[in-house]
Amino acid sequence: AQKITQTQPGMFVQEKEAVTLDCTYDTSDQSYGLFWYKQPSSGEMIFLIYQGSYDEQNATEGRYSLNFQKARKSANLVISASQLGDSAMYFCAMREGEVDMRFGAGTRLTVKP
Amino acid sequence: NAGVTQTPKFRILKIGQSMTLQCTQDMNHNYMYWYRQDPGMGLKLIYYSVGAGITDKGEVPNGYNVSRSTTEDFPLRLELAAPSQTSVYFCASSYPDGRWSTAFFGQGTRLTVV
Repeated sequence: AQKITQTQPGMFVQEKEAVTLDCTYDTSDQSYGLFWYKQPSSGEMIFLIYQGSYDEQNATEGRYSLNFQKARKSANLVISASQLGDSAMYFCAMREGEVDMRFGAGTRLTVKP
Repeated sequence: NAGVTQTPKFRILKIGQSMTLQCTQDMNHNYMYWYRQDPGMGLKLIYYSVGAGITDKGEVPNGYNVSRSTTEDFPLRLELAAPSQTSVYFCASSYPDGRWSTAFFGQGTRLTVV
């Protein structure tokens, strides 16, 4: 069964606007971690933001914020004031247990000038 | 601070050949991982290690082997390469403290088996 689901294969956003990338997850654990990574065309994996399952507040890192809705098992990434350099693949991931980190299929974001 | 370093960056193998993908990290992380990323897909865990001398299988271990003789190094061995192993391979490491530590990735190795 798919642990991490990203339902948007591709998204477009106008420069300077905000965009939300969806992520839902499936787990029976009470304690887990959620991550978002950015993969530009150069191929490297860049860590963006982390949310722990027990964190009561939504995580924020600069222009990135994570809209965490635990009951709905969703962890959407919000990018504010999009920039051309935000064009990339974005992956949602979940860690259950010590080492098992599962990734979604990704969303390709294109920022239009 | 180099972080996680993978070599080579690119490699073409013939069917049946073998090779070792090298990975080293200088952050003193206990946990290290190997992932593969097929075109248009997310990452799948091949093998992982929680410390020197300790390794375990991930989601897709068939056709691969690993070893962890030091904290810094975690090589991935491909025996009898097959076209299905054409992929981009990522090595990663994470902090030893806490289950929710962020994984830091190497630049990736693009492998083509022909």
